[in-house]
Amino acid sequence: SYVLTQPPPMSVAPGKTATITCGGNNIGDKNVHWYQQKPGQAPVVVIYFDSDRPSGIPERFSGSNSGNTATLTISRVEAGDEADYYCQVWDSSGDHPVFGGGTKLTVL
Amino acid sequence: EVQLVESGGGLVQPGGSLRLSCATSGFTLTTYQINWVRQAPGKGLEWVSYISSDGSAMYYADSVKGRFTISRDIAKKSVYLQMNSLRAEDTAIYYCARRRNGNNPLDHWGQGTLVTVSS
Repeated sequence: SYVLTQPPPMSVAPGKTATITCGGNNIGDKNVHWYQQKPGQAPVVVIYFDSDRPSGIPERFSGSNSGNTATLTISRVEAGDEADYYCQVWDSSGDHPVFGGGTKLTVL
Repeated sequence: EVQLVESGGGLVQPGGSLRLSCATSGFTLTTYQINWVRQAPGKGLEWVSYISSDGSAMYYADSVKGRFTISRDIAKKSVYLQMNSLRAEDTAIYYCARRRNGNNPLDHWGQGTLVTVSS
């Protein structure tokens, strides 16, 4: 089965840039979606189809995908960005979603 | 407004059963797949099951295959997850989430319902 690998917890100072990666075999050939999950809340899509932003998501959130790595970038990080972030693709048959293990982002 | 609202969670003994419900509103159920995704305490997201938009196909994670059954009632705009032979490792928050056909994201999620399997 397809495996997505995310980095361990990370911390970033307010105003700086957070970069969260998602590794997978030829993930550049897949569509990657990113979710933000704050404590006690359901996940919310912040990036879909590698780099598109849903309405209501700040422009500070961006995404890219190439080769074996997809990346979520959060510019000018704010305290409200503190959350767990998950990447997700659909398996080759399209039957079910595959999630990365998640990365906890702490804003110092 | 799109809404998905889960219910039916609770405390159950190992080997017991529960039926979760996902009540939907604000969209046409026959246009979207509905997925169940769970999250064990302090852990990540794990897909459990989905039912296709036309209701003809149901899929399950290997960890629940043969024990869980997904179904839906179009008239009630609801999707259900019947969970039998529950184990301690099934303890989690269970979310329902919708997805338009294709490689689309799970674009709307419910708030989740907690299932605790313990004696």
